[in-house]
Amino acid sequence: EDQVTQSPEALRLQEGESSSLNCSYTVSGLRGLFWYRQDPGKGPEFLFTLYSAGEEKEKERLKATLTKKESFLHITAPKPEDSATYLCAVSNGYNKLIFGAGTRLAVHP
Amino acid sequence: GAVVSQHPSWVICKSGTSVKIECRSLDFQATTMFWYRQFPKQSLMLMATSNEGSKATYEQGVEKDKFLINHASLTLSTLTVTSAHPEDSSFYICSALGQYNEQFFGPGTRLTVL
Repeated sequence: EDQVTQSPEALRLQEGESSSLNCSYTVSGLRGLFWYRQDPGKGPEFLFTLYSAGEEKEKERLKATLTKKESFLHITAPKPEDSATYLCAVSNGYNKLIFGAGTRLAVHP
Repeated sequence: GAVVSQHPSWVICKSGTSVKIECRSLDFQATTMFWYRQFPKQSLMLMATSNEGSKATYEQGVEKDKFLINHASLTLSTLTVTSAHPEDSSFYICSALGQYNEQFFGPGTRLTVL
């Protein structure tokens, strides 16, 4: 069964304290791994797509990496405005996304 | 680019009435759109896949007669919650499928049934 597990469930950081979020997955034929950011009361905002092991993508303070079993979202020197829930999802080729439960990130000044 | 809008952003209705939510892709054509439901502090739950010009495909456990989906054009899908009850109160989010399998999400609609 295709499955996505995110850890930790919640993460509290001080401003400037870098860290990583983990997304472990099992899927029968990966057609893409996606990272989204969701703010309270809003829809998810697309961040990255990764397709193959070894691929990396960056956007401002965020960097996503992919292996055959997991993906990491690295946050470098986070700011309070990076506080949000970060969602990981995989596509198995049938257009549907299989979502993890998310990591709630809180960055304090 | 890749902007998806939803209307209304919030709605309050009486029990037994029907509510329509619109989802539009503003700057691209979307042959496939999706409808999700999200409960507080939980992840997104896929309700149905909407394909332009054909019937929607519903996930197991989702009542198709209660949640009517119409995808009449390449930029518009609608979700109608019929005979709404308080247990239908939730955050409804739509998304549109991009050309690389990514989904672009709308801002969501908060439905409260009294």
